[in-house]
Amino acid sequence: GNSVTQMEGPVTLSEEAFLTINCTYTATGYPSLFWYVQYPGEGLQLLLKATKADDKGSNKGFEATYRKETTSFHLEKGSVQVSDSAVYFCALMNSGGYQKVTFGIGTKLQVIP
Amino acid sequence: GAVVSQHPSWVICKSGTSVKIECRSLDFQATTMFWYRQFPKQSLMLMATSNEGSKATYEQGVEKDKFLINHASLTLSTLTVTSAHPEDSSFYICSAPQSRGHEQFFGPGTRLTVL
Repeated sequence: GNSVTQMEGPVTLSEEAFLTINCTYTATGYPSLFWYVQYPGEGLQLLLKATKADDKGSNKGFEATYRKETTSFHLEKGSVQVSDSAVYFCALMNSGGYQKVTFGIGTKLQVIP
Repeated sequence: GAVVSQHPSWVICKSGTSVKIECRSLDFQATTMFWYRQFPKQSLMLMATSNEGSKATYEQGVEKDKFLINHASLTLSTLTVTSAHPEDSSFYICSAPQSRGHEQFFGPGTRLTVL
């Protein structure tokens, strides 16, 4: 079955530091990959996505590249802000039909001034 | 992008009562919706797939008689937690794909607290 493995947090960074959150996956076929963000007390928001190998998803300064050879989709940001403090979920969804989303455990990011 | 709403956003109930949570797709029709559950500091776990006009498909280990799902229209799915107990306290989130194979849009979640 499908699975997503991501680093457990919490990750604590100073403002303007570089962020990397690792994510690897196991899936059949060619899934779409996602990063979702959850702010305290709120639901999930799609941060970025990639639907095929070598695609790069980007949004709000965050980037992730779909690496089929390493089955990875690591999230990066060059300079984090306090407002980026949240929980980040890596996820995948198989293509075709109506497919459920498989989530990683989530990584809590705390950015301190 | 597409919008999915949930109601209520939070609910507190007494043990033994039933609680209904609504999930609506506001600007698109969804023949399939998904219900997830999230425990504190944990990931989202799929509970069931809600199918318009037919029975829901439950994940292994989820009690179908306890978590009743009704997908009555193309824009509405409801999750009823029957005879709720404190261990049912959780954050429930629904999602819906805008179309076949399309990414899913998530509702804001409903926090259920059972006293």
